[in-house]
Amino acid sequence: NAGVMQNPRHLVRRRGQEARLRCSPMKGHSHVYWYRQLPEEGLKFMVYLQKENIIDESGMPKERFSAEFPKEGPSILRIQQVVRGDSAAYFCASSTIAGESDTQYFGPGTRLTVL
Amino acid sequence: AQSVTQLDSHVSVSEGTPVLLRCNYSSSYSPSLFWYVQHPNKGLQLLLKYTSAATLVKGINGFEAEFKKSETSFHLTKPSAHMSDAAEYFCVVSWVGSQGNLIFGKGTKLSVKP
Repeated sequence: NAGVMQNPRHLVRRRGQEARLRCSPMKGHSHVYWYRQLPEEGLKFMVYLQKENIIDESGMPKERFSAEFPKEGPSILRIQQVVRGDSAAYFCASSTIAGESDTQYFGPGTRLTVL
Repeated sequence: AQSVTQLDSHVSVSEGTPVLLRCNYSSSYSPSLFWYVQHPNKGLQLLLKYTSAATLVKGINGFEAEFKKSETSFHLTKPSAHMSDAAEYFCVVSWVGSQGNLIFGKGTKLSVKP
């Protein structure tokens, strides 16, 4: 049973370009969460999605960031017009149900570097 | 408001000696608490979780944690450190109504000396 998969593992972009990060949840999981980890910090919640729905985007920056989880295919975190401050590790997690006690399983992360 | 404080940013122990990583939480609601471990350039792995059942929780790799409501603490311990335990450890809280939104501590980097 494959775990949460993320690609690419490393992504380099120049300022102003777009970054697309992909996340395939574990088999049977329909809830996806995105987190961002800045250097020397813990992970910060960004957005929670179910298939075709954004449930909670309270942690998403208001501009340039968007996320989707289509009926078919992986969840995508999209960052438009990247800036140096977007450089971070982005982690995706998935769970079978939503709830405070349900375990979230994390992918290996995508490390974004903005030049 | 909900928050997590990991009291030590870095802990260094010798192999074979006990490990104690400290975590205090603040939550207006009954919390669920987790410890995750992150090895360099890897994803996060769940060590253990507390969800209002037994207050002493046993996890993988010999780790355990005790939920102490009176002290609002959830410290992680292991009787004997192994070199492979060197990693970063995150204490995490969620709560009723959070819809799975996890709040992470800033992490404690554990070093294990031979």
